[in-house]
Amino acid sequence: SAVISQKPSRDICQRGTSLTIQCQVDSQVTMMFWYRQQPGQSLTLIATANQGSEATYESGFVIDKFPISRPNLTFSTLTVSNMSPEDSSIYLCSVVPTGSTDTQYFGPGTRLTVL
Amino acid sequence: QKEVEQNSGPLSVPEGAIASLNCTYSDRGSQSFFWYRQYSGKSPELIMSIYSNGDKEDGRFTAQLNKASQYVSLLIRDSQPSDSATYLCAATSGGSYIPTFGRGTSLIVHP
Repeated sequence: SAVISQKPSRDICQRGTSLTIQCQVDSQVTMMFWYRQQPGQSLTLIATANQGSEATYESGFVIDKFPISRPNLTFSTLTVSNMSPEDSSIYLCSVVPTGSTDTQYFGPGTRLTVL
Repeated sequence: QKEVEQNSGPLSVPEGAIASLNCTYSDRGSQSFFWYRQYSGKSPELIMSIYSNGDKEDGRFTAQLNKASQYVSLLIRDSQPSDSATYLCAATSGGSYIPTFGRGTSLIVHP
């Protein structure tokens, strides 16, 4: 498996502002993903972070609201833009390590509260 | 639409008992199956993966897969209070890195 870190671990933000979440992996990985988990709910995939190109977004998520960067094989950022209280959630980075078939490992998550 | 179904629970078992967690999936093309444990306020942690019909054992955990019935289960032997968590079942179709997650089953192990 890979060691994954996320920053910040939690934040409280005002409506209308933006927050950028960082995900760092200790080794090169094949795939990186961003998920959202709202209170009491399961995981919802936001997008696949593609190295050196635009992310692939799932239905219901758009680049203007959730811009994603992945400049190299070990780092990605997710920005939550123009936040509203409905964006309050846990945001999780996950990776498929190089050499793994399809097993995903999750970072510790970022708990976001929007007031 | 691919779906993974789990009973949300809570499933309550006494300490030392066997906890049985169940999951069904709709996509017959699913080839890889995963169980994650998620403690409250924490991120999901991979417990087991299973790819072939039958049982796979790892310590106190046994995953069971029956592709004909589209059914996956996780057995936890000698349950401990520290096993109290939400258990997420996930399934991935061939060639995809993206699993479909169930909503999770809450397990409570009481002393």
